[in-house]
Amino acid sequence: KNQVEQSPQSLIILEGKNCTLQCNYTVSPFSNLRWYKQDTGRGPVSLTIMTFSENTKSNGRYTATLDADTKQSSLHITASQLSDSASYICVVSAVYGGSQGNLIFGKGTKLSVKP
Amino acid sequence: NAGVTQTPKFQVLKTGQSMTLQCAQDMNHNSMYWYRQDPGMGLRLIYYSASEGTTDKGEVPNGYNVSRLNKREFSLRLESAAPSQTSVYFCASSEAWGGVYNEQFFGPGTRLTVL
Repeated sequence: KNQVEQSPQSLIILEGKNCTLQCNYTVSPFSNLRWYKQDTGRGPVSLTIMTFSENTKSNGRYTATLDADTKQSSLHITASQLSDSASYICVVSAVYGGSQGNLIFGKGTKLSVKP
Repeated sequence: NAGVTQTPKFQVLKTGQSMTLQCAQDMNHNSMYWYRQDPGMGLRLIYYSASEGTTDKGEVPNGYNVSRLNKREFSLRLESAAPSQTSVYFCASSEAWGGVYNEQFFGPGTRLTVL
C-alpha cells in the first residue's frame, strides 16, 4: 500500500534555530512530492512541489530536498520564526491514485518555535 | 479572490441528524475534493470530482454523498450522522485531476462534532 511516514512527530526549537523534518515514502509509481504547512485551525498551504528529477527546491527560508532513489525527502527551515509554528505535511503524488486519490498524505510533524 | 470557501466553520450534530457542508471556489478550477482530517492521521480523501458532472469515491466514502452543483460548488452530505464522523472536513480544488504540478488549494475547514 502507498504510504508516507514522517519524523519526528513533534519538535520544539528556539526562535532563530534551524531544523530539519524527514519524510520517507513507499509510493509507486512516483509522480511528485510536496510539502504543505498547516497552521492551527487552517487548511494546508503548499510550500514546494518537486518531481523525481529535482533534488532541491527553496521557498524563502524553507528548503526541501528529494532523493528519489532512497525515497526520502527533508524540509529544512532556516532561522526559525515564531510564525513557523505549525504542522508540516509531506504529500506524495502517485501516477495512478486509486481510492486514495493521487495524493498520499503523511501524518505531519508538529513544530513549535519558542521565544 | 477568496480562493476556496467552506460553510459552516463549526457544527454540532446529534447522532442521526443530517447536514450538508458547502464548498465553493472562485479559481475556475475543474477538480474538487473532500477530505477529512482526524487526530494522528493524515488527510483522507472522501470523494472527489475530477470535472463538472463527475464524482468518484475516495478512500473513505461510507456515510457520505456529494453533489457537484456546478463548476464552482461541491457539497458533502451526511445523511445520518454518526459519532465516527466527528472530524475536520476540508474542501480543496485544483486546476485539473492528476498532472505533475497539480496543486491543490484547501479551504479553511469545517469542524464537525457528532454527539
